[in-house]
Amino acid sequence: ETGVTQTPRHLVMGMTNKKSLKCEQHLGHNAMYWYKQSAKKPLELMFVYNFKEQTENNSVPSRFSPECPNSSHLFLHLHTLQPEDSALYLCASSQDFGGGAADTQYFGPGTRLTVL
Amino acid sequence: GENVEQHPSTLSVQEGDSAVIKCTYSDSASNYFPWYKQELGKGPQLIIDIRSNVGEKKDQRIAVTLNKTAKHFSLHITETQPEDSAVYFCAARDLQGAQKLVFGQGTRLTINP
Repeated sequence: ETGVTQTPRHLVMGMTNKKSLKCEQHLGHNAMYWYKQSAKKPLELMFVYNFKEQTENNSVPSRFSPECPNSSHLFLHLHTLQPEDSALYLCASSQDFGGGAADTQYFGPGTRLTVL
Repeated sequence: GENVEQHPSTLSVQEGDSAVIKCTYSDSASNYFPWYKQELGKGPQLIIDIRSNVGEKKDQRIAVTLNKTAKHFSLHITETQPEDSAVYFCAARDLQGAQKLVFGQGTRLTINP
């Protein structure tokens, strides 16, 4: 798990707050992902970045804003969230995003977010 | 788009017995099927994957089988141990199209000593 790190591990915020989640991968990968994991629901892909460029926005509300300054770092900026946004937010990375054998995704430990 | 169904949602087996988790997928173009294990407080960890050009793959006590005609694939764990207790997720991806992983709902496996 030290390959992909996420901070903070736990976050409690009010609906009017602004906060950011951080992800860092130490694997030299080119693609990074944000997923949402809610209780009793499958993992939901939110965003994909490949070589710092966003290639996928899976119909995510604008109150979630991703940022990828370089291939090793990925942020998720949060503002005016709703209680139903409470979930585990997982970051993942893969060597490539091209449909080949290098697409294996490695996950971080996640940030447990609670919106009050 | 792709839809993945996973069963059962919970599974309890005696230590030393085998466990089987099954998944079905809807998109016949999907050709990559990973399995992830998620322990409490951790992110999902890849344990085994299979591509559509093979029907079975084995890694020690873990095996995955794929039936492309029926569009289902299964995870088999033999000689289960307490440390196998976790939530297991299957996933499917269409390598020709959207290239997104679509996950099943997860199976909580409990190994009873």
